[in-house]
Amino acid sequence: QSALTQPASVSGSPGQSITISCTGTSSDVGGYNYVSWYQHQPGKAPKPIIYDVSNRPSGVSNRFSGSKSANTASLTISGLQAEDEADYYCSSYTSIRTLVFGGGTKLTVL
Amino acid sequence: EVQLLESGGGLVQPGGSLRLSCAASGFTFNTYAMSWVRQAPGEGLEWVSSVTHSGSRYHADSVRGRLIISRDISRNTLFLEMNSLRAEDTAIYYCARGFEGMDVWGQGTTVTVSS
Repeated sequence: QSALTQPASVSGSPGQSITISCTGTSSDVGGYNYVSWYQHQPGKAPKPIIYDVSNRPSGVSNRFSGSKSANTASLTISGLQAEDEADYYCSSYTSIRTLVFGGGTKLTVL
Repeated sequence: EVQLLESGGGLVQPGGSLRLSCAASGFTFNTYAMSWVRQAPGEGLEWVSSVTHSGSRYHADSVRGRLIISRDISRNTLFLEMNSLRAEDTAIYYCARGFEGMDVWGQGTTVTVSS
C-alpha cells in the first residue's frame, strides 16, 4: 500500500489560511469517509485534529477544518498562528483493512 | 483521565527480539480498537498494526510475520511482539486508541536496532 501524497511543505503568514492536500486512490481516501489528520510537533505525541474527513475532536480549534473530493482530502487552517507550526499527517482506512498515512507536510509560519 | 503509557523499548541487535507494552487507563479497554504506529528517524508516521475491539488483527506488509500485535484485556495492556528485527525497524513506536481514526496517543517508546 503506497503512502498517501501530501506536499512536503507549506508556509503562510500569521492570520492567513493554508490548505494541505492528501491524495490517495479509490481504494482508500476515495472509498471511505475514514480520513484523519494529525498535528505532530517535535518531542510530542501526534495530536488528532480531524477525524472522519471533517469532524473535529473536542477541544480542537474551529480554525481547523477538513473536507474531501473524490480521492483527495484537504486540511485547511485559517487564522494561522505561530503555534500551528508543526508536521501534519493525513491517514485513511483502506480496502484491504489496513491504514495508510501520508508522507507528512511541514507547516512553517513565517 | 484517558492515558496510554508505552514501555519496553531499547537497543537490540539485528535479528533480535523485543516486546513493547502499552498500559491503558481511564477507559473500557476491550471496547476499543488499538493500534501501533511508528516513526523512523527523519521519516513520517507509519502504521504498523491494529487489533479491533473483537480481537481481529491487521498488520502492515512491511512487518507481517515479524511484528505481532496482541492484547491482555484483564490487564488493559496492548503488546507488540517484535521478532527478527532489522535496522529499518529503528523508530519511535506509538500506541494509539482506535484504528480508522486514532483519538488518544501515548508518548512513544524508542526501539534501536543496531550491532
